[in-house]
Amino acid sequence: QQPVQSPQAVILREGEDAVINCSSSKALYSVHWYRQKHGEAPIFLMILLKGGEQKGHDKISASFNEKKQQSSLYLTASQLSYSGTYFCGTEIRSGGGADGLTFGKGTHLIIQP
Amino acid sequence: NAGVTQTPKFQVLKTGQSMTLQCAQDMNHEYMSWYRQDPGMGLRLIHYSVGAGITDQGEVPNGYNVSRSTTEDFPLRLLSAAPSQTSVYFCASSYSTGGLSEQYFGPGTRLTVT
Repeated sequence: QQPVQSPQAVILREGEDAVINCSSSKALYSVHWYRQKHGEAPIFLMILLKGGEQKGHDKISASFNEKKQQSSLYLTASQLSYSGTYFCGTEIRSGGGADGLTFGKGTHLIIQP
Repeated sequence: NAGVTQTPKFQVLKTGQSMTLQCAQDMNHEYMSWYRQDPGMGLRLIHYSVGAGITDQGEVPNGYNVSRSTTEDFPLRLLSAAPSQTSVYFCASSYSTGGLSEQYFGPGTRLTVT
C-alpha cells in the first residue's frame, strides 16, 4: 500500500521553508527520500532507519517517527534548485531481507525567485 | 563507471507485440529493480532481484517477466504489450547486504503502446 504524501503541491518564494510529510499504515523498517526533476531520473536524498533518527544534508533534513509511521522532509531557506517532485519510499521488510520500496505519489515543489 | 544504463530510451509498440527493456549496472550491486511511473501515480515496483538467480514480484508484476542470470543485467520482458503498459520505466540498483541502501536509477525508457 502506497504511503501518503502531503501536501500534493507547494509553491514557495526562494528563501522560504517547506515541510513534506509521508505517512504509512504499516510498520516501517526505513524511509527513503528522492527528488526528481522533470524528464529526469529520481535522485537519492537520504535514508532514515527506524529508531527516530534525524538526518541532514546541507539545508535539507528529515525525521522518522517510528511509532506514528511518519517521516517528514524539511527544506530550509529553499533555493531555486530545490524545485522538483519529492518522493518518499517506504520499506516494510516482511521477510528477512530487502523486499523493495513502495513510493508515494509525490509532492510537487515549485520555488519562485 | 557508467552507472545504470537502460536501452532503448524510447519505444513504440503495437498491442500484442513483445519486447525486452534492457538494464545494466557496473557497480557490482546485488539489488536491482524495475519501476513504472505514470502521471500522478508515483513510482510503482514491478519486479526486483536481490542477486543473480533470484527474482521476486513487486506491486504491479502482471504482464511483465524478469530474469537475473548475471549480477550486471536485469532485463524486463513484455510478452504481449497492452495500452495500459504505456509508461516510463526506470531500472534501479543498490548495494544491499540485507537492507536497502541508496538506489541509483537509470535514465528511463519511455514506452508507448498503441
